[in-house]
Amino acid sequence: NAGVMQNPRHLVRRRGQEARLRCSPMKGHSHVYWYRQLPEEGLKFMVYLQKENIIDESGMPKERFSAEFPKEGPSILRIQQVVRGDSAAYFCASSPRAATNTGELFFGEGSRLTVL
Amino acid sequence: GENVEQHPSTLSVQEGDSAVIKCTYSDSASNYFPWYKQELGKGPQLIIDIRSNVGEKKDQRIAVTLNKTAKHFSLHITETQPEDSAVYFCAASSNSNYQLIWGAGTKLIIKP
Repeated sequence: NAGVMQNPRHLVRRRGQEARLRCSPMKGHSHVYWYRQLPEEGLKFMVYLQKENIIDESGMPKERFSAEFPKEGPSILRIQQVVRGDSAAYFCASSPRAATNTGELFFGEGSRLTVL
Repeated sequence: GENVEQHPSTLSVQEGDSAVIKCTYSDSASNYFPWYKQELGKGPQLIIDIRSNVGEKKDQRIAVTLNKTAKHFSLHITETQPEDSAVYFCAASSNSNYQLIWGAGTKLIIKP
């Protein structure tokens, strides 16, 4: 059973370009979470999605950022018109259940975005 | 809302000694407290968790204790080994808030 797969692992963009980060959850998991991590810092919640639904996007900036988890295919975190402050590691996690207080989150290895 | 504080930010211990990392939380409704280990360049991985109906849980060299009255919980690693070197994160969540609220992390360094 493959783990959570994220790609690309590393992405370099110039200011103003778009970044698309993909996450394929573990098989059988329909709940996906995106987190952002700055160097030497903790994890900041961005968005929680179920198949075809955004459940909670309270941690995601309202402008330039969007996320989706279509019926078929991976979850995508999209950042438009990137700025240097978007440089970070973006982690995706999946779970077979809705509530994180019922069990483990399985994390991918992250996508490291560098904005020049 | 919930706030989780974690100390220390960096911990250096001699190989074979014990390491203790502490977290405090603010929301008395929190009832689930996991600990994750993040190795360099990788995603966090759950190492142990505890629910509010127990005070202590052990798994080989790792243990977690919970004091609900004081609203703090701790990770204990005994007989530390080089492969224990990593960043450790605590977190908390409740039935009413499915989001995990994370501590800022502790960088554990095991000195040979």
